[in-house]
Amino acid sequence: QLQLQESGSGLVKTSQTLSLTCAVSGGSISSGGYFWSWIRQPPGKGLEWIGYINHSGSTYYNPSLKSRVSISVDRSKNQFSLKVSSVTAADTAVYFCARGIWSGGSRYNWFDPWGHGTLVTVSS
Amino acid sequence: DIQMTQSPSSLSASVRDRVTITCRASQSISTFLNWYQKKPGKAPKLLIYGASSLQSGVPSRFSGSGSGTDFTLTISSLQPEDFATYYCQQSYISWTFGQGTKVGIK
Repeated sequence: QLQLQESGSGLVKTSQTLSLTCAVSGGSISSGGYFWSWIRQPPGKGLEWIGYINHSGSTYYNPSLKSRVSISVDRSKNQFSLKVSSVTAADTAVYFCARGIWSGGSRYNWFDPWGHGTLVTVSS
Repeated sequence: DIQMTQSPSSLSASVRDRVTITCRASQSISTFLNWYQKKPGKAPKLLIYGASSLQSGVPSRFSGSGSGTDFTLTISSLQPEDFATYYCQQSYISWTFGQGTKVGIK
């Protein structure tokens, strides 16, 4: 059973870089047909998709965050990582990692499973 | 961006009630619509994909319907473990979520 676990700094200073890692267990991050995503939820607000990296290392980011976001993969550790630069209080959120699944032969896709999420607070 | 609007934002219901949550897209998304359940401190859980396909292991009291811009999630007989927040999500163009519907105890 695939499991994902987020880790990283829970407190980041304004204007610095937020860094998180998602460890994948129970399956290989290099398997085809999946895309490894980051999603966040600011306090009291809805979910926002941040970006993904796929099995071949290609990335795709939310245009609203693209200039500040980077996602990378470490296949030797079976994990992927998120960096958000120049953070402000608006980046305070619970950050989730999730596996995106492409339905074979169609464009249908969904996120399953998700990690439990980790709270990142941005403060001066 | 495709905007997703859920209604209601919250509701109160009793065990064994039939509960319906609606989700409207700002443009047609065919059936590229998924539903998730979120409980405090837990990972979101996929319930429905492709608007109406039940994820493996999800109880049959959950069902989804709709296409185009209007979708519904129905819980046919609410159980104690179903009190949670439910989110719709479109995957037609990029990915966006509804703001959530909190199902509370009456």
